[in-house]
Amino acid sequence: GENVEQHPSTLSVQEGDSAVIKCTYSDSASNYFPWYKQELGKRPQLIIDIRSNVGEKKDQRIAVTLNKTAKHFSLHITETQPEDSAVYFCAASLSNTDKLIFGTGTRLQVFP
Amino acid sequence: DAGVIQSPRHEVTEMGQEVTLRCKPISGHNSLFWYRQTMMRGLELLIYFNNNVPIDDSGMPEDRFSAKMPNASFSTLKIQPSEPRDSAVYFCASSSRTGGMQFFGPGTRLTVL
Repeated sequence: GENVEQHPSTLSVQEGDSAVIKCTYSDSASNYFPWYKQELGKRPQLIIDIRSNVGEKKDQRIAVTLNKTAKHFSLHITETQPEDSAVYFCAASLSNTDKLIFGTGTRLQVFP
Repeated sequence: DAGVIQSPRHEVTEMGQEVTLRCKPISGHNSLFWYRQTMMRGLELLIYFNNNVPIDDSGMPEDRFSAKMPNASFSTLKIQPSEPRDSAVYFCASSSRTGGMQFFGPGTRLTVL
């Protein structure tokens, strides 16, 4: 079955710096890769996603890249702000299924 | 749209009691998911339904857990009897198509004493 590994588990950056979170997946048939942000005590919220027919996707300060050959994908946050502080989860989904396998999460702290 | 609705938001019960968690998916969504989140195990998929039919229940921990979806707008997750190790936040999520974006409800924080 699919397995998703996520690194680092914690990340501290200064406001204005960039943050990068990396995930690897095991099943080459996986074709949908969402990223969720979860603030303390809140629900996971989808912030960006990418499908396997695309190498990169950008939405303002957030971007996701996908390397199908290496089976890894990354979340990039530029010009970080204190409100970016949260736990970020990556996930992978097999084609034609609804099942998402989540990574273990990265706790991002942005210091002002 | 109100988004995914879950009730109750908090539940405190004693070991051995029956617990029922409820979920109303986003209108028009045809897939519904139940997740459990703990510090130790992270976010785990328990079961998911497509068009009210259970598709994959391999994540259900044991026979004490059961889930139903009697119609497109309502699902329940039941634990009977509950145990302290069931304490967690239980999320319901829904999506509109296979392999599509999943939207989470606010969660139910369950504490079993």
